[in-house]
Amino acid sequence: DAKTTQPNSMESNEEEPVHLPCNHSTISGTDYIHWYRQLPSQGPEYVIHGLTSNVNNRMASLAIAEDRKSSTLILHRATLRDAAVYYCILRVGGSQGNLIFGKGTKLSVKP
Amino acid sequence: DVKVTQSSRYLVKRTGEKVFLECVQDMDHENMFWYRQDPGLGLRLIYFSYDVKMKEKGDIPEGYSVSREKKERFSLILESASTNQTSMYLCASSLWGSFLNYGYTFGSGTRLTVV
Repeated sequence: DAKTTQPNSMESNEEEPVHLPCNHSTISGTDYIHWYRQLPSQGPEYVIHGLTSNVNNRMASLAIAEDRKSSTLILHRATLRDAAVYYCILRVGGSQGNLIFGKGTKLSVKP
Repeated sequence: DVKVTQSSRYLVKRTGEKVFLECVQDMDHENMFWYRQDPGLGLRLIYFSYDVKMKEKGDIPEGYSVSREKKERFSLILESASTNQTSMYLCASSLWGSFLNYGYTFGSGTRLTVV
């Protein structure tokens, strides 16, 4: 799977928006962008995914750059429960392979 | 709520023992996966399965085997446990043909310690 680059860590204040960036400059036209998060002592949890257009769901929004070389996961109002490691993953078009997790971004949320 | 259930949250085994880690999903998913997670190394795929009785090696299959006799159950087997297999083991499932369009559902993990 193509590589993604994320900051190691970020901090946010509770009830403020959080923008988690991801660079994927080698993305190809059929690669989907997936985001997962992992809370402490839990398995990873699916958050959102997209291909070209921005996406919204109950957990978050995904903003995808026009050239698709970067994307941003947006948490509209961070809560303490959102403190987790967030993984940005590219799913290769046509691949029957697996999710390849990088190191992710550790998000801390301050009250 | 849909679930992937791993039979044990914590497990302590002795070196040389045969260890079975069980995973059950109630979502009728075709695909199931076993990962291990270690500090600094992230999640790494051990084995996966597309269907009953089918299995594919992941990135680190050495020292492990798997069994999928029923669609809902995927077992990871450590034939002869060693201390370097001390890790967090995570099971996941997903719909067939949906690697791109659907997410994986993970279990809460089994923390295995081999002494």
